[in-house]
Amino acid sequence: GDSVTQMEGPVTLSEEAFLTINCTYTATGYPSLFWYVQYPGEGLQLLLKATKADDKGSNKGFEATYRKETTSFHLEKGSVQVSDSAVYFCALSEGNTGNQFYFGTGTSLTVIP
Amino acid sequence: DSGVTQTPKHLITATGQRVTLRCSPRSGDLSVYWYQQSLDQGLQFLIQYYNGEERAKGNILERFSAQQFPDLHSELNLSSLELGDSALYFCASSLGNQGPGSGANVLTFGAGSRLTVL
Repeated sequence: GDSVTQMEGPVTLSEEAFLTINCTYTATGYPSLFWYVQYPGEGLQLLLKATKADDKGSNKGFEATYRKETTSFHLEKGSVQVSDSAVYFCALSEGNTGNQFYFGTGTSLTVIP
Repeated sequence: DSGVTQTPKHLITATGQRVTLRCSPRSGDLSVYWYQQSLDQGLQFLIQYYNGEERAKGNILERFSAQQFPDLHSELNLSSLELGDSALYFCASSLGNQGPGSGANVLTFGAGSRLTVL
């Protein structure tokens, strides 16, 4: 079945460091891929998405490229800020499975000044 | 404000009791999803409804049930509560079934209902 495997955390970085959070997926068809972010005490918010191979999603300085050949959707940011401290979830959705969403386990990021 | 409304925000109850969590989806969304988030098990998919019909079931216990009403709001009923049911319960909504590869099917989450069972 469909699944998402995400890099385990927690991750601690200094401000302005480069961030990579790895995400790989298993899917039977052609899924859409997402990164969601959960700030402390809040619900999950969509950060970015990509709907087909080679698409790049981007938002707030974060980027992720849909790589079909490696079944990956790694999240990157060139220079993190303290305000980026949150839990990041990789997810996929396939229309041919009734648009169910499959989430990774989440990666906690703490950015220190 | 995401447009998905969940009530109550916080709930404290005792073991053996029954509670109902309510969710109003974002305007225009037909699908509602329920998730449980606990510290040790991450984000667990419970159940999905689409336009009033059950669409998919995840790791939902038999003590739990849900439904989606004609006005599209949904309720999650949790009964015979145990200490281990203490968690954040999230509702999310989406436009609905859009077919393979559609980018329109984005999940929008509510702020969650925090349940504490004592």
